[in-house]
Amino acid sequence: KAGVTQTPRYLIKTRGQQVTLSCSPISGHRSVSWYQQTPGQGLQFLFEYFSETQRNKGNFPGRFSGRQFSNSRSEMNVSTLELGDSALYLCASSLEGGKYGYTFGSGTRLTVV
Amino acid sequence: AQSVSQHNHHVILSEAASLELGCNYSYGGTVNLFWYVQYPGQHLQLLLKYFSGDPLVKGIKGFEAEFIKSKFSFNLRKPSVQWSDTAEYFCAVNSGYSTLTFGKGTMLLVSP
Repeated sequence: KAGVTQTPRYLIKTRGQQVTLSCSPISGHRSVSWYQQTPGQGLQFLFEYFSETQRNKGNFPGRFSGRQFSNSRSEMNVSTLELGDSALYLCASSLEGGKYGYTFGSGTRLTVV
Repeated sequence: AQSVSQHNHHVILSEAASLELGCNYSYGGTVNLFWYVQYPGQHLQLLLKYFSGDPLVKGIKGFEAEFIKSKFSFNLRKPSVQWSDTAEYFCAVNSGYSTLTFGKGTMLLVSP
């Protein structure tokens, strides 16, 4: 079965711009989570959507937002980009979350200049 | 709030050496525990997970982990590492349907 697909793979944006990242989960998975990975902070949780509803939220500013569509595909948006937003953004999908575990995508590498 | 501590940030081993990576978590209730691996340039892959039953869990590629509830630990082991095991290893925990909390990761370098 197809894995978790994230697009685009690479992005270069200018400070102050906004960006939208996309994630297509494994077919049948209803939970989609987003993480930010940086060398200094490791993997930090952004938010999780389950059946189109935000179920969990991490400790990120309101510039970071997301949504999930009826087909479980998810998007995250970052507005007013800052240099510190440069990171690998990972999407993970799960049947229902919890003990079922999560399958990760390859990520979107965002560089803010 | 849950937290995960991985004791070693970097580990260097020779091929055929035994591996043990430490992971401790802080949460008093029922937990689900995971080990993920990230090979250079690749995405995170699940090595193994524990949520109930036998506390000794076997995963892919010869890895295993032991859940010791009294020590809040979930250490990863492999009897004999290979050069291809060079990667970053992440321990993670959640409870119920809460999100995964990750440790900072341990970079393992295996020299041939």
